[in-house]
Amino acid sequence: GAVVSQHPSWVICKSGTSVKIECRSLDFQATTMFWYRQFPKQSLMLMATSNEGSKATYEQGVEKDKFLINHASLTLSTLTVTSAHPEDSSFYICSEQRTSNNEQFFGPGTRLTVL
Amino acid sequence: EDKVVQSPLSLVVHEGDTVTLNCSYEVTNFRSLLWYKQEKKAPTFLFMLTSSGIEKKSGRLSSILDKKELFSILNITATQTGDSAVYLCALKSYNTDKLIFGTGTRLQVFP
Repeated sequence: GAVVSQHPSWVICKSGTSVKIECRSLDFQATTMFWYRQFPKQSLMLMATSNEGSKATYEQGVEKDKFLINHASLTLSTLTVTSAHPEDSSFYICSEQRTSNNEQFFGPGTRLTVL
Repeated sequence: EDKVVQSPLSLVVHEGDTVTLNCSYEVTNFRSLLWYKQEKKAPTFLFMLTSSGIEKKSGRLSSILDKKELFSILNITATQTGDSAVYLCALKSYNTDKLIFGTGTRLQVFP
């Protein structure tokens, strides 16, 4: 069964609003989670590494003030897209890293459409 | 700059055909190479390769890594319509757990 959940699975919002996406580990305490973005017909691009109890590490070119990441507990990381614009419309996917077998498990993704 | 390139970008075949998907990379130091299958939602794990020359197999799918020539292939034999998906190759950084994804190959299998 699923080991990582995301909520919501899809969201449509107006330009200028903020949207929060939750990534939850269902059976594991993940100290590290990853957030990816995938534009249509493109590959996954890593946005940031989310660390429990500390600030997220952002990839080059990703605005940390626009994509706020909070990893408040070992099972929950949230990504907030602030003041969303149509160009932020994308598929956002989180993943958790399992150190036991070095695998990365992906959530089902959240499709964001900004009108 | 680390780069992962997959070919072909897209492939259309009939059921029963065998396909070979390629992943070449320019990554200076990596821990493992992974293959994922992505249908409508998030990628699902297929294989993780760490050593050169050792084939991994799962049913009709198999994969191998060549660290000398810097590539990996994913083979699918006797393709079925359910194999239609985007196949992603990714390299895991040695020092962190970051994944660098390739461009993906879109496979369409028609009956």
